[in-house]
Amino acid sequence: GQQVMQIPQYQHVQEGEDFTTYCNSSTTLSNIQWYKQRPGGHPVFLIQLVKSGEVKKQKRLTFQFGEAKKNSSLHITATQTTDVGTYFCAGPSMEYGNKLVFGAGTILRVKS
Amino acid sequence: NAGVTQTPKFRVLKTGQSMTLLCAQDMNHEYMYWYRQDPGMGLRLIHYSVGEGTTAKGEVPDGYNVSRLKKQNFLLGLESAAPSQTSVYFCASSLSGKLFFGSGTQLSVL
Repeated sequence: GQQVMQIPQYQHVQEGEDFTTYCNSSTTLSNIQWYKQRPGGHPVFLIQLVKSGEVKKQKRLTFQFGEAKKNSSLHITATQTTDVGTYFCAGPSMEYGNKLVFGAGTILRVKS
Repeated sequence: NAGVTQTPKFRVLKTGQSMTLLCAQDMNHEYMYWYRQDPGMGLRLIHYSVGEGTTAKGEVPDGYNVSRLKKQNFLLGLESAAPSQTSVYFCASSLSGKLFFGSGTQLSVL
């Protein structure tokens, strides 16, 4: 079945450093979504990418969708302690009626 | 407007006991979902519903049953709990593909 893989599993950065997490799908995706989960909280929607090669920015966050629509990345510039949490990518699975299948997530810790 | 509400927030069960997790949403969304979250494994889809009276299996449906008798409610049942079902359970509803999650239920099966 479809798999969505994320790397790295865990990253610990100094405040002010940049951070990137990568997402790869075993199949072509019609779209990809990103979610953030704060420690002890629930996942919260960040963004959806639809077009091949699409790049979207939200303040210090930059999201990219690969040309082949099988990979995506989230880059955070100059991390802050408020960026702490787990970042998930998710893509629709044809196997489950186009419902979202999530990657394992990247845990980000920021040292101040 | 409460969004997605899950009850209970915490529960401890003994192996073999049964229980039902309740999810309610007040956003009039058609689609609802149950996910479980385990360390290092992300969120895995258990069951989902595309509308009142409908349910379908997700990635990890074994050991769980669901019902969607009313549009606003999606129930997740464990008939005979096993230690492998110790997890955090999240309910979600969606609009235009964007998921809105509840605050989760932490379940421990001893």
